[in-house]
Amino acid sequence: SQQGEEDPQALSIQEGENATMNCSYKTSINNLQWYRQNSGRGLVHLILIRSNEREKHSGRLRVTLDTSKKSSSLLITASRAADTASYFCATDDSSASKIIFGSGTRLSIRP
Amino acid sequence: DGGITQSPKYLFRKEGQNVTLSCEQNLNHDAMYWYRQDPGQGLRLIYYSQIVNDFQKGDIAEGYSVSREKKESFPLTVTSAQKNPTAFYLCASSAQGVSNIQYFGAGTRLSVL
Repeated sequence: SQQGEEDPQALSIQEGENATMNCSYKTSINNLQWYRQNSGRGLVHLILIRSNEREKHSGRLRVTLDTSKKSSSLLITASRAADTASYFCATDDSSASKIIFGSGTRLSIRP
Repeated sequence: DGGITQSPKYLFRKEGQNVTLSCEQNLNHDAMYWYRQDPGQGLRLIYYSQIVNDFQKGDIAEGYSVSREKKESFPLTVTSAQKNPTAFYLCASSAQGVSNIQYFGAGTRLSVL
């Protein structure tokens, strides 16, 4: 079962530009998380936003949540080569007991 | 160092063989999870455990088995019934149930000989 779907599947931008990734989900949630995965490694948690929050910041990351549209976006400002990775959104389900990950956005930062 | 340790990093399975992937955490987390990741894909939940001596099937449990005899350990066995086991396997843990932040190990890459 797929709850979150990221868009685009792949994104290539120049270093220093901003990167925006989107996530859509299907059912009501308690919170939504974003994770990063470097190639061949485990996932690292980036940020969690609760269903009653609309925007959250952490360093160069900005996450928004629109529960009416069942969507979230992750903005990475002033991108760096080290930001090259896959980014996944993950949602819980208020009626279930597990987190479901989307298929991810592969971000490439060109020097 | 606190964290999650998965071993081995690479594992090869012969046809008809069962293999066990290790996952150990020293974060004192109650919940632990196993995911499968195929190339270019997201994570699919195999099994999860929210407390010692209890675990639940995820979305793709067929061909896999787990145990949770200790809080720190959640080994995954890939049985011979799993006909397509080649994948990247990730273990994770969280503090207070599934809505909380998950911490991941470095993964085990399983291939078939």
